Amino acid sequence: DTAVSQTPKYLVTQMGNDKSIKCEQNLGHDTMYWYKQDSKKFLKIMFSYNNKELIINETVPNRFSPKSPDKAHLNLHINSLELGDSAVYFCASSQDPLAGDNEQFFGPGTRLTVL
Amino acid sequence: AQTVTQSQPEMSVQEAETVTLSCTYDTSESDYYLFWYKQPPSRQMILVIRQEAYKQQNATENRFSVNFQKAAKSFSLKISDSQLGDAAMYFCAYKAGYSGNTGKLIFGQGTTLQVKP
Repeated sequence: DTAVSQTPKYLVTQMGNDKSIKCEQNLGHDTMYWYKQDSKKFLKIMFSYNNKELIINETVPNRFSPKSPDKAHLNLHINSLELGDSAVYFCASSQDPLAGDNEQFFGPGTRLTVL
Repeated sequence: AQTVTQSQPEMSVQEAETVTLSCTYDTSESDYYLFWYKQPPSRQMILVIRQEAYKQQNATENRFSVNFQKAAKSFSLKISDSQLGDAAMYFCAYKAGYSGNTGKLIFGQGTTLQVKP
C-alpha cells in the first residue's frame, strides 16, 4: 500500500497551460505539504495544510494554488505555466507538526516539464 | 532565518568503508530537530535518521549515526560499512521546535554520495 501517492508522475505541457497535480495519503495524517525541487536539486517548501487549513504559504506566485478537499488530499493547481515552473514537485504528510520530530512521509514526486 | 549548509556537493567511498557527510545550520532557537534524508535515483525521499536538539546523545540507526555538535551547529552523518545501495543524494534538514513549529523542513543543498565497488 502506497502511503503518499501523487499523480501523475510525469507531466509535460506547454507554456501558458493550466495543470493540476494530485496527492493522496492513507496514513491518517492531519498535515500535508508541497515541496519544489529545482533543477539543482534544491528542495524548498511551498505550502502546508493542517486539517484542510493553510498554515504555510511561502513566497510562491499566486499562479500556484493548493486545494484540500479533505485531510487525505492536497492537490496543487498551477495556472499559466511558465518555463521556470519546470521542477519536481513532492507532496508529503505528517502527524501533528507541533510534535516536532514527526517524520514527514514523501510521495514519489511529479516531474513537471514546461516546454 | 534558519539556514542549512552542506558544503560537500559530492563524496565518494569504497564499498565497506566509512564516510562522513557534513552539515551545518544556523538558528537562534534552542529547540529544534534535525534530519538526514536520502534520495536515491528513484527520487523517493527516505528518512535516514533524526535528532532532537535537546538530546545530547547522538542518534544511531544501524550503520548510520550522527555527530551532533550543538554549540558548533554541526550535524554530520556517518555511514559505516558502506553498501552499493547507499549511493544517493543525501539532504540535511532542519525543523523548528514547538514554539515556531509549522512543520516546515528547511533543506541543505544536498550531497551526492557515490559508492565504489
